Amino acid sequence: DVKVTQSSRYLVKRTGEKVFLECVQDMDHENMFWYRQDPGLGLRLIYFSYDVKMKEKGDIPEGYSVSREKKERFSLILESASTNQTSMYLCASSLKRTYEQYFGPGTRLTVT
Amino acid sequence: AQSVTQLDSQVPVFEEAPVELRCNYSSSVSVYLFWYVQYPNQGLQLLLKYLSGSTLVKGINGFEAEFNKSQTSFHLRKPSVHISDTAEYFCAVSEGSGGNMLTFGGGTRLMVKP
Repeated sequence: DVKVTQSSRYLVKRTGEKVFLECVQDMDHENMFWYRQDPGLGLRLIYFSYDVKMKEKGDIPEGYSVSREKKERFSLILESASTNQTSMYLCASSLKRTYEQYFGPGTRLTVT
Repeated sequence: AQSVTQLDSQVPVFEEAPVELRCNYSSSVSVYLFWYVQYPNQGLQLLLKYLSGSTLVKGINGFEAEFNKSQTSFHLRKPSVHISDTAEYFCAVSEGSGGNMLTFGGGTRLMVKP
């Protein structure tokens, strides 16, 4: 089974802190994604990556950056956390030529 | 640009009753369609997918969905629900463009009552 793990289930950070969310997948998938999930809005794509060191902006990249130094690891960075970034963050991965995405359990981030 | 609308934010239903969760999409090209389920405090899990072929797609846990191209819909159905089906359900669409991105609907919370 594909396994996508995220470094934390719950995080509480202060406004202005730099926040790192880590995601690791163990199935050699080329594509990796970061979403945020908010009630009534579903999942919105922040960034995705289709190869090591490659990244593309999604629908809501403002306030976020990403890093992919190794194929299995995709990091989401909040340079200066703000209260409106309080949300559930979900990581996903997929093979290059398929559309099925596999999700991690999510990180619930609270910024106070 | 594609978009996905899930017409009901919440659907309450009694155990063993049938249920339909509605999903409509807008796209000018051929699409691939998905339903995901999210149980409390978990990530999303694929229920079923339509890529091509038969418009009636069967998934896990007794769910099925029908792709209707003329109505741009992909409604999810189950003939008899269980308490354990209580979860949030997301419809998603991909136009097959670079990066294989998915666009998700807002989600429907299915609440199964005893």
